[in-house]
Amino acid sequence: GESVGLHLPTLSVQEGDNSIINCAYSNSASDYFIWYKQESGKGPQFIIDIRSNMDKRQGQRVTVLLNKTVKHLSLQIAATQPGDSAVYFCAENSLDQTGANNLFFGTGTRLTVIP
Amino acid sequence: ETGVTQTPRHLVMGMTNKKSLKCEQHLGHNAMYWYKQSAKKPLELMFVYNFKEQTENNSVPSRFSPECPNSSHLFLHLHTLQPEDSALYLCASSQPQGTGGYTFGSGTRLTVV
Repeated sequence: GESVGLHLPTLSVQEGDNSIINCAYSNSASDYFIWYKQESGKGPQFIIDIRSNMDKRQGQRVTVLLNKTVKHLSLQIAATQPGDSAVYFCAENSLDQTGANNLFFGTGTRLTVIP
Repeated sequence: ETGVTQTPRHLVMGMTNKKSLKCEQHLGHNAMYWYKQSAKKPLELMFVYNFKEQTENNSVPSRFSPECPNSSHLFLHLHTLQPEDSALYLCASSQPQGTGGYTFGSGTRLTVV
């Protein structure tokens, strides 16, 4: 029979366009958020981070926006390039069930850039 | 290179074999982590070591046994694995647990036959 699994959200954009990848987080007490990029055959790579006392942070071609009211995080990539094709994960830093701080990762979004 | 090196990159093992995965970092980080990444699943935290002390074991079966001899090295010893253990195993390191982002290695692609 057909297997049912967790389907990765996907986003396809034309080269040169801007990309927006969204993430909803669960813990209103989370104080630190990170976006990671994972290319095929590689581990996740740090892109940009933001602390909860900020709403926006900019890097080179990337911007992270944090909306604590609705617990929403977004990653904006300007002038998307083929090399940006990858899976993008958001992560939130919060206390786990043992009381320790840990990073919790989302399921990821697959970005495909169309040349 | 991220500064976190994992070996081997690929491993095929039988269910009765014993093997070890190795992770090494020279970033001066004090916390190290093992994650399992399976297809269509979020990253699963397996073990956490903070200043060489294991601080978390997230209900991982005993056929996975971590070892952290010092702050720069982390091992994952494998024995009598099951085919469903086939996955990408990622090592990461950070400043003391909870204080910042993680740096990941490239992972070991494990296939259990």
